[in-house]
Amino acid sequence: DAKTTQPPSMDCAEGRAANLPCNHSTISGNEYVYWYRQIHSQGPQYIIHGLKNNETNEMASLIITEDRKSSTLILPHATLRDTAVYYCIVRVAGGSARQLTFGSGTQLTVLP
Amino acid sequence: DVKVTQSSRYLVKRTGEKVFLECVQDMDHENMFWYRQDPGLGLRLIYFSYDVKMKEKGDIPEGYSVSREKKERFSLILESASTNQTSMYLCASSHQLSSYEQYFGPGTRLTVT
Repeated sequence: DAKTTQPPSMDCAEGRAANLPCNHSTISGNEYVYWYRQIHSQGPQYIIHGLKNNETNEMASLIITEDRKSSTLILPHATLRDTAVYYCIVRVAGGSARQLTFGSGTQLTVLP
Repeated sequence: DVKVTQSSRYLVKRTGEKVFLECVQDMDHENMFWYRQDPGLGLRLIYFSYDVKMKEKGDIPEGYSVSREKKERFSLILESASTNQTSMYLCASSHQLSSYEQYFGPGTRLTVT
Protein backbone atom coordinates (compact mmCIF):
# COMPACT_ATOMS: atom_id res chain seq x y z
CA ASP A 1 0.00 0.00 0.00
CA ALA A 2 1.19 3.50 -0.77
CA LYS A 3 2.61 5.54 2.09
CA THR A 4 0.83 8.75 3.05
CA THR A 5 2.24 11.92 4.56
CA GLN A 6 0.12 14.40 6.51
CA PRO A 7 1.02 17.45 8.58
CA PRO A 8 0.91 16.61 12.29
CA SER A 9 -1.38 19.48 13.23
CA MET A 10 -3.49 22.33 11.84
CA ASP A 11 -5.74 25.02 13.24
CA CYS A 12 -8.86 26.42 11.63
CA ALA A 13 -11.26 29.18 12.68
CA GLU A 14 -14.82 28.13 13.34
CA GLY A 15 -17.03 28.71 10.30
CA ARG A 16 -14.13 28.73 7.86
CA ALA A 17 -13.17 25.96 5.49
CA ALA A 18 -10.64 23.45 6.78
CA ASN A 19 -8.34 22.09 4.08
CA LEU A 20 -6.40 19.02 5.12
CA PRO A 21 -3.64 17.88 2.73
CA CYS A 22 -2.31 14.39 2.16
CA ASN A 23 0.63 13.32 0.01
CA HIS A 24 0.62 9.85 -1.53
CA SER A 25 3.22 10.16 -4.29
CA THR A 26 3.65 6.37 -4.73
CA ILE A 27 -0.05 5.66 -5.21
CA SER A 28 -0.81 3.11 -7.90
CA GLY A 29 -3.65 3.15 -10.38
CA ASN A 30 -6.00 0.85 -8.49
CA GLU A 31 -5.58 2.40 -5.06
CA TYR A 32 -8.32 4.47 -3.48
CA VAL A 33 -7.86 7.37 -1.09
CA TYR A 34 -9.91 7.05 2.11
CA TRP A 35 -10.39 9.61 4.87
CA TYR A 36 -11.37 8.86 8.44
CA ARG A 37 -11.40 10.95 11.58
CA GLN A 38 -11.32 10.13 15.25
CA ILE A 39 -12.67 12.46 17.87
CA HIS A 40 -11.02 12.04 21.25
CA SER A 41 -12.19 8.89 23.09
CA GLN A 42 -14.56 7.89 20.28
CA GLY A 43 -14.44 5.30 17.52
CA PRO A 44 -13.08 6.26 14.10
CA GLN A 45 -15.58 7.72 11.66
CA TYR A 46 -15.54 7.12 7.92
CA ILE A 47 -15.71 10.40 5.99
CA ILE A 48 -15.22 9.87 2.27
CA HIS A 49 -13.19 8.03 -0.34
CA GLY A 50 -12.31 8.41 -4.00
CA LEU A 51 -10.24 7.02 -6.86
CA LYS A 52 -9.52 9.91 -9.20
CA ASN A 53 -12.59 12.09 -9.49
CA ASN A 54 -13.44 14.68 -6.89
CA GLU A 55 -16.06 13.49 -4.45
CA THR A 56 -18.52 15.27 -2.19
CA ASN A 57 -20.90 14.07 0.47
CA GLU A 58 -22.76 15.64 3.36
CA MET A 59 -19.65 15.72 5.50
CA ALA A 60 -16.85 16.83 3.22
CA SER A 61 -15.30 17.15 -0.23
CA LEU A 62 -12.31 15.23 -1.50
CA ILE A 63 -10.12 16.82 -4.13
CA ILE A 64 -7.58 14.51 -5.81
CA THR A 65 -4.92 16.03 -8.05
CA GLU A 66 -4.80 14.95 -11.66
CA ASP A 67 -1.60 12.97 -11.13
CA ARG A 68 -3.19 11.45 -7.98
CA LYS A 69 -0.06 12.10 -5.95
CA SER A 70 -1.88 14.22 -3.41
CA SER A 71 -5.35 14.99 -2.16
CA THR A 72 -7.15 17.50 0.05
CA LEU A 73 -10.05 16.90 2.37
CA ILE A 74 -12.23 19.98 2.68
CA LEU A 75 -14.64 20.60 5.56
CA PRO A 76 -16.52 23.58 4.12
CA HIS A 77 -17.71 25.20 7.37
CA ALA A 78 -15.72 23.83 10.27
CA THR A 79 -17.36 23.64 13.69
CA LEU A 80 -15.89 22.96 17.11
CA ARG A 81 -17.17 19.38 16.82
CA ASP A 82 -14.86 18.85 13.85
CA THR A 83 -11.85 18.96 16.17
CA ALA A 84 -10.34 15.49 15.70
CA VAL A 85 -7.43 13.54 14.27
CA TYR A 86 -7.90 13.07 10.52
CA TYR A 87 -6.39 10.06 8.78
CA CYS A 88 -5.67 9.67 5.09
CA ILE A 89 -5.33 6.04 3.95
CA VAL A 90 -4.51 4.59 0.56
CA ARG A 91 -5.77 1.09 -0.17
CA VAL A 92 -6.49 -1.22 -3.04
CA ALA A 93 -10.21 -1.95 -3.05
CA GLY A 94 -10.70 -5.70 -3.04
CA GLY A 95 -7.27 -6.29 -1.62
CA SER A 96 -6.54 -9.15 0.72
CA ALA A 97 -5.73 -6.93 3.68
CA ARG A 98 -9.10 -6.19 5.17
CA GLN A 99 -8.10 -4.35 8.27
CA LEU A 100 -7.71 -0.64 8.54
CA THR A 101 -4.40 0.75 9.65
CA PHE A 102 -3.96 4.39 10.45
CA GLY A 103 -0.81 6.45 10.30
CA SER A 104 -0.26 9.35 12.66
CA GLY A 105 -2.79 11.64 10.96
CA THR A 106 -3.41 15.38 11.33
CA GLN A 107 -4.75 16.84 14.57
CA LEU A 108 -7.23 19.48 13.45
CA THR A 109 -8.18 22.01 16.09
CA VAL A 110 -11.13 24.27 15.30
CA LEU A 111 -10.82 27.51 17.22
CA PRO A 112 -13.80 29.62 18.35
CA ASP B 1 -27.39 6.35 9.23
CA VAL B 2 -25.38 3.29 10.08
CA LYS B 3 -25.53 2.53 13.75
CA VAL B 4 -23.00 0.34 15.49
CA THR B 5 -23.51 0.02 19.21
CA GLN B 6 -21.35 -1.56 21.86
CA SER B 7 -22.64 -2.92 25.14
CA SER B 8 -20.49 -0.79 27.45
CA ARG B 9 -18.44 2.39 27.19
CA TYR B 10 -16.34 1.58 30.24
CA LEU B 11 -15.67 -1.76 31.91
CA VAL B 12 -13.45 -2.77 34.81
CA LYS B 13 -12.67 -6.46 35.32
CA ARG B 14 -10.32 -8.50 37.44
CA THR B 15 -7.50 -10.68 36.16
CA GLY B 16 -8.78 -14.13 35.26
CA GLU B 17 -12.40 -13.12 34.71
CA LYS B 18 -14.23 -14.07 31.54
CA VAL B 19 -15.28 -10.92 29.71
CA PHE B 20 -17.93 -10.50 27.03
CA LEU B 21 -18.02 -7.47 24.74
CA GLU B 22 -21.10 -7.18 22.57
CA CYS B 23 -21.52 -5.30 19.31
CA VAL B 24 -24.72 -4.78 17.33
CA GLN B 25 -25.15 -3.15 13.90
CA ASP B 26 -28.44 -2.19 12.30
CA MET B 27 -27.48 -1.91 8.63
CA ASP B 28 -27.62 -5.58 7.64
CA HIS B 29 -23.86 -5.58 6.99
CA GLU B 30 -22.27 -8.92 6.22
CA ASN B 31 -18.90 -8.10 7.75
CA MET B 32 -18.01 -7.24 11.29
CA PHE B 33 -14.65 -6.57 12.92
CA TRP B 34 -13.10 -6.31 16.37
CA TYR B 35 -10.07 -4.06 16.82
CA ARG B 36 -8.13 -2.86 19.78
CA GLN B 37 -6.49 0.53 19.88
CA ASP B 38 -3.51 1.37 22.07
CA PRO B 39 -1.40 4.53 22.19
CA GLY B 40 1.56 4.26 19.84
CA LEU B 41 0.32 0.98 18.35
CA GLY B 42 -2.67 2.23 16.40
CA LEU B 43 -5.57 -0.01 15.41
CA ARG B 44 -4.94 -3.75 15.45
CA LEU B 45 -7.39 -6.31 14.12
CA ILE B 46 -8.30 -9.11 16.52
CA TYR B 47 -10.95 -11.06 14.57
CA PHE B 48 -13.42 -10.47 11.80
CA SER B 49 -16.50 -12.23 10.52
CA TYR B 50 -17.85 -12.26 6.97
CA ASP B 51 -21.03 -14.20 7.68
CA VAL B 52 -23.04 -15.77 10.47
CA LYS B 53 -20.96 -18.41 12.26
CA MET B 54 -17.94 -17.56 10.08
CA LYS B 55 -14.84 -15.96 11.53
CA GLU B 56 -11.22 -15.36 10.71
CA LYS B 57 -8.28 -14.41 12.86
CA GLY B 58 -6.77 -10.99 12.54
CA ASP B 59 -3.30 -9.95 13.61
CA ILE B 60 -3.61 -10.50 17.36
CA PRO B 61 -6.19 -13.24 18.13
CA GLU B 62 -4.34 -14.79 21.08
CA GLY B 63 -6.36 -14.63 24.28
CA TYR B 64 -9.59 -13.78 22.44
CA SER B 65 -12.45 -15.64 20.82
CA VAL B 66 -15.53 -14.44 18.98
CA SER B 67 -19.07 -15.49 18.32
CA ARG B 68 -21.49 -14.55 15.57
CA GLU B 69 -24.79 -16.37 15.92
CA LYS B 70 -26.88 -13.62 14.29
CA LYS B 71 -26.00 -11.33 11.44
CA GLU B 72 -26.37 -8.15 13.45
CA ARG B 73 -24.40 -9.24 16.52
CA PHE B 74 -20.69 -9.95 16.96
CA SER B 75 -19.30 -10.77 20.37
CA LEU B 76 -15.71 -10.64 21.58
CA ILE B 77 -14.78 -12.92 24.46
CA LEU B 78 -11.75 -12.66 26.67
CA GLU B 79 -11.52 -16.17 28.10
CA SER B 80 -9.32 -15.19 31.06
CA ALA B 81 -8.67 -11.47 31.21
CA SER B 82 -5.13 -10.28 31.76
CA THR B 83 -3.72 -6.84 32.49
CA ASN B 84 -2.15 -6.63 29.02
CA GLN B 85 -5.67 -6.73 27.60
CA THR B 86 -6.43 -3.33 29.10
CA SER B 87 -7.28 -1.33 26.00
CA MET B 88 -9.91 0.45 23.91
CA TYR B 89 -11.94 -2.13 21.99
CA LEU B 90 -13.63 -1.04 18.79
CA CYS B 91 -16.23 -2.88 16.78
CA ALA B 92 -16.84 -2.07 13.11
CA SER B 93 -19.02 -3.29 10.28
CA SER B 94 -18.96 -3.02 6.52
CA HIS B 95 -21.13 -4.06 3.63
CA GLN B 96 -18.37 -5.51 1.48
CA LEU B 97 -15.40 -7.39 2.86
CA SER B 98 -13.13 -5.70 0.35
CA SER B 99 -14.33 -2.26 1.35
CA TYR B 100 -12.45 -0.02 3.69
CA GLU B 101 -15.64 1.93 4.29
CA GLN B 102 -16.10 0.64 7.80
CA TYR B 103 -18.47 2.00 10.42
CA PHE B 104 -17.32 1.97 13.99
CA GLY B 105 -19.02 1.80 17.34
CA PRO B 106 -18.16 4.22 20.15
CA GLY B 107 -15.66 1.84 21.73
CA THR B 108 -15.36 0.07 25.07
CA ARG B 109 -12.58 1.17 27.39
CA LEU B 110 -11.66 -2.04 29.25
CA THR B 111 -9.46 -1.96 32.31
CA VAL B 112 -8.22 -5.25 33.76
CA THR B 113 -6.85 -4.97 37.29
